[in-house]
Amino acid sequence: QKEVEQNSGPLSVPEGAIASLNCTYSDRGSQSFFWYRQYSGKSPELIMFIYSNGDKEDGRFTAQLNKASQYVSLLIRDSQPSDSATYLCAVTYDFGNEKLTFGTGTRLTIIP
Amino acid sequence: GAGVSQSPSNKVTEKGKDVELRCDPISGHTALYWYRQSLGQGLEFLIYFQGNSAPDKSGLPSDRFSAERTGGSVSTLTIQRTQQEDSAVYLCASSLGGLYGQETQYFGPGTRLLVL
Repeated sequence: QKEVEQNSGPLSVPEGAIASLNCTYSDRGSQSFFWYRQYSGKSPELIMFIYSNGDKEDGRFTAQLNKASQYVSLLIRDSQPSDSATYLCAVTYDFGNEKLTFGTGTRLTIIP
Repeated sequence: GAGVSQSPSNKVTEKGKDVELRCDPISGHTALYWYRQSLGQGLEFLIYFQGNSAPDKSGLPSDRFSAERTGGSVSTLTIQRTQQEDSAVYLCASSLGGLYGQETQYFGPGTRLLVL
């Protein structure tokens, strides 16, 4: 059973601080890693994806991947109230098959 | 702009009835996916279509679930003899369908299914 694990939260972070979201996965053969944001009652939207070890930055968001530790994280700098949402970690396992295996998500609340 | 569309947006049905859920992917996207999200749960993969290849049905929970994709575009997910545990949000996504597992999947608004 290929699994993706996330702390369900809620994670509360003061406005302007750094929010750190973590995700672990069970299969060493995992290919690509995605972070989706989902507002309550809405569908998921992609924040970032990463497939190489190291950091990838996009604006206030940084994804970090450590394949040896089977760990991927998302950092949100200068957190804003609009960042309050559930963040879903997702993984693809098979080269050429893009189906996503999702974690259950971490609920993030930014406190003004 | 035309994103992924799904219909109906909400569906209430009685236990034992059949339901059909429709998905219109983004034009030009060759890959189409169905997921479902139960209350408080993460997204669960159901089925994946890529071009003319045989679909990956590995996520369908039982033989009451089936899906087809006509003409490489519109897809219909059918649930026969619905059960209360089928109540969930059914999400469709599409992507350009590259071979490297790095394509962005764009999600539709979902169909909220309630089985009474």
